[in-house]
Amino acid sequence: GAVVSQHPSRVICKSGTSVKIECRSLDFQATTMFWYRQFPKQSLMLMATSNEGSKATYEQGVEKDKFLINHASLTLSTLTVTSAHPEDSSFYICSFRGGTEAFFGQGTRLTVV
Amino acid sequence: GDSVTQMEGPVTLSEEAFLTINCTYTATGYPSLFWYVQYPGEGLQLLLKATKADDKGSNKGFEATYRKETTSFHLEKGSVQVSDSAVYFCALRSSVGSARQLTFGSGTQLTVLP
Repeated sequence: GAVVSQHPSRVICKSGTSVKIECRSLDFQATTMFWYRQFPKQSLMLMATSNEGSKATYEQGVEKDKFLINHASLTLSTLTVTSAHPEDSSFYICSFRGGTEAFFGQGTRLTVV
Repeated sequence: GDSVTQMEGPVTLSEEAFLTINCTYTATGYPSLFWYVQYPGEGLQLLLKATKADDKGSNKGFEATYRKETTSFHLEKGSVQVSDSAVYFCALRSSVGSARQLTFGSGTQLTVLP
């Protein structure tokens, strides 16, 4: 299956700083990608959907100014958590959609202290 | 809206034991149903899927049947191995809307002991 590389896998940052998470597809190009977030013992929740070359569409309750998504190309997407706070600590995972299948990165465990 | 309710874990089994992880869903229309598996340090991988009622998805000894009457898609394996230790996610993709993103359950951690 297709390979998606997401990094970093773990990051600890101080409150008020920004963190960038990168997601790259290694062997295919995708026009649509998704960012999910998972809090402990809860489901993976969709944060936003984006198409290459256009602005991301954010789910209700997700602040677009706080979670900046850049779908720079058909193989690269980044999520920047700006001015992070402890309540942003979570597991973030990206997904590219290729045809009828979805391919996922390894996920990033963000801890804000 | 769409939702997936998945059996809470963690689940610990001995090798060769029978596995069932329950999954039920709520959705409009006729969703497609999926099981994803996440091994330690890796991304989610598609394990199996079913796209219509009464379909049975199967892979690597795992099976799940799309039961519309009970809105369920329970995952089963007759004899688990240590290598099956992972987190399992049940998910659905709605049949309506353009983006058609996945809706996930909360995941079930499975540990198989030798």
